[in-house]
Amino acid sequence: DGGITQSPKYLFRKEGQNVTLSCEQNLNHDAMYWYRQDPGQGLRLIYYSQIVNDFQKGDIAEGYSVSREKKESFPLTVTSAQKNPTAFYLCASKGNRTTGELFFGEGSRLTVL
Amino acid sequence: LAKTTQPISMDSYEGQEVNITCSHNNIATNDYITWYQQFPSQGPRFIIQGYKTKVTNEVASLFIPADRKSSTLSLPRVSLSDTAVYYCLVGDMRTGFQKLVFGTGTRLLVSP
Repeated sequence: DGGITQSPKYLFRKEGQNVTLSCEQNLNHDAMYWYRQDPGQGLRLIYYSQIVNDFQKGDIAEGYSVSREKKESFPLTVTSAQKNPTAFYLCASKGNRTTGELFFGEGSRLTVL
Repeated sequence: LAKTTQPISMDSYEGQEVNITCSHNNIATNDYITWYQQFPSQGPRFIIQGYKTKVTNEVASLFIPADRKSSTLSLPRVSLSDTAVYYCLVGDMRTGFQKLVFGTGTRLLVSP
């Protein structure tokens, strides 16, 4: 089945540790996105990438890093510089430039202990 | 990108039509309006997209007046399963909808 796979689904981390969230898609989509969602809040854009080896900062990029070495993969690293990393992280992809239709993964819930 | 404003919450009953309005006063000529639905602990799901007048699909209708400063998502005959958060987004067609920013959304509660 075509879709977006995020892993892990749940992750616990100690303060001061970096953690990488995986996002893989087999939809052959060019664009990929990372959003963060806090309880009861909307989604906030962290990073987005339109093509391989290129990505742009979103509205809350500080404390995060990404790479786009392959079309299928867009991993997000939550660094120790991110002051409040506990959140629900959502990855999405978009395959058509004529629409704003994003396809989302199931999300990764990160808890910092 | 134009900022969007939606009501924080709405209540309805099963079988009623629900209209959720989104304000986007600074919408640009090349901007389109897109709506998403999100259930708890899931990623949002695309509902509908439009530029002007009316767009209808199998789940919803989108009404956009001539000045395009607002839009209304219409859900006909809602059921309990329509309880969710609904987001309105504005995207720039010239950039291929490159940057898509979600607002705070409208939390719809459908009761029996």
